[in-house]
Amino acid sequence: DAGVIQSPRHEVTEMGQEVTLRCKPISGHNSLFWYRQTMMRGLELLIYFNNNVPIDDSGMPEDRFSAKMPNASFSTLKIQPSEPRDSAVYFCASSLARPNTGELFFGEGSRLTVL
Amino acid sequence: SQKIEQNSEALNIQEGKTATLTCNYTNYSPAYLQWYRQDPGRGPVFLLLIRENEKEKRKERLKVTFDTTLKQSLFHITASQPADSATYLCALKGGKLIFGQGTELSVKP
Repeated sequence: DAGVIQSPRHEVTEMGQEVTLRCKPISGHNSLFWYRQTMMRGLELLIYFNNNVPIDDSGMPEDRFSAKMPNASFSTLKIQPSEPRDSAVYFCASSLARPNTGELFFGEGSRLTVL
Repeated sequence: SQKIEQNSEALNIQEGKTATLTCNYTNYSPAYLQWYRQDPGRGPVFLLLIRENEKEKRKERLKVTFDTTLKQSLFHITASQPADSATYLCALKGGKLIFGQGTELSVKP
């Protein structure tokens, strides 16, 4: 059974460029999460979706960040324009929103370096 | 403000010993708490969940306790092995699932 699939695994770009990260959740899962991980701040929740609808985007740093989930099997996180401080590992996770469980299944992450 | 604290220093122990990791929190009333394992270059992997009305949970060599009065969870790995070396993250579910910074565990043979 395939897990959460993220692409690209690594991205190196220059400041000002647009970056698009992609995620395919586990089939049948109805919640999707985008996290960012850095040494300084750890794992931070950026946004999450239930049934393709954004529920909480309060963790999105600023207007340069946007996320979409056009259908149950695909989500994107876009940064435009990118800045060096956006360098981090971005994780996508999915879960089945059963009550009182909430186990998250993480992808392998997209390591972003903005020069 | 809400805060989750895990041992910031790496924990180094000898193979066969019990590793104990701590997760403290403030200004939370979590419905449950989870522990995850993260290996270098990989995503976190779920290990255990413990609910607010549970004191202790076990799974094979793993044991988690949850003290809502002390606002603390302890995570134990008994008979530790070098393969247990990883970073361990606690996560609290209030409204959202929020993660601690993680504690790096190193088990030496």
